[in-house]
Amino acid sequence: GIQVEQSPPDLILQEGANSTLRCNFSDSVNNLQWFHQNPWGQLINLFYIPSGTKQNGRLSATTVATERYSLLYISSSQTTDSGVYFCAGLDRGSTLGRLYFGRGTQLTVWP
Amino acid sequence: EAGVTQFPSHSVIEKGQTVTLRCDPISGHDNLYWYRRVMGKEIKFLLHFVKESKQDESGMPNNRFLAERTGGTYSTLKVQPAELEDSGVYFCASSQEKGGRTDGYTFGSGTRLTVV
Repeated sequence: GIQVEQSPPDLILQEGANSTLRCNFSDSVNNLQWFHQNPWGQLINLFYIPSGTKQNGRLSATTVATERYSLLYISSSQTTDSGVYFCAGLDRGSTLGRLYFGRGTQLTVWP
Repeated sequence: EAGVTQFPSHSVIEKGQTVTLRCDPISGHDNLYWYRRVMGKEIKFLLHFVKESKQDESGMPNNRFLAERTGGTYSTLKVQPAELEDSGVYFCASSQEKGGRTDGYTFGSGTRLTVV
């Protein structure tokens, strides 16, 4: 079946710390991407990363498709990084654009 | 360009009432999706429009939910009658491509629905 699992479910950091969020996905999932839901509820697309590594400022992501996992790195965290981070992917066997999400990691960054 | 717009941003209604959520996708995007996040759980797919046609409505929870997309532009999601378990955040997203590369997905800010 289609499974997208994230860990940890909750993460509390002090400002300036680094963190790694993990997403494991089943073989039927591809086209992995990461989203951030900020405290105002907006869902922002961070990375489209079916494989390889990408970086955007203090954030970077790596997907090892052959081992069915993706990692999101946040360096020098800031309070504005707080919110819920979701990974999501598509059903490999479908031509439709439906995304399957994990349950998210709730990140709280304290000043 | 304007993003995906949803309104209202918040809605509090009593059990048994009707609520209509609206989504205005990015102009020119044929694909429009509705998703929902119930408190603490994953974001779940509800349905997918291609222009004015329902491409996939397998995620709609029951017949109390009705989605329409008039003329292939904006979309509405009506819940009638609302139940307590319908509470959550309803997201709309649009994209130009149906599948494959989905970095063209743009989500709206969501409508937080609370049924009391």
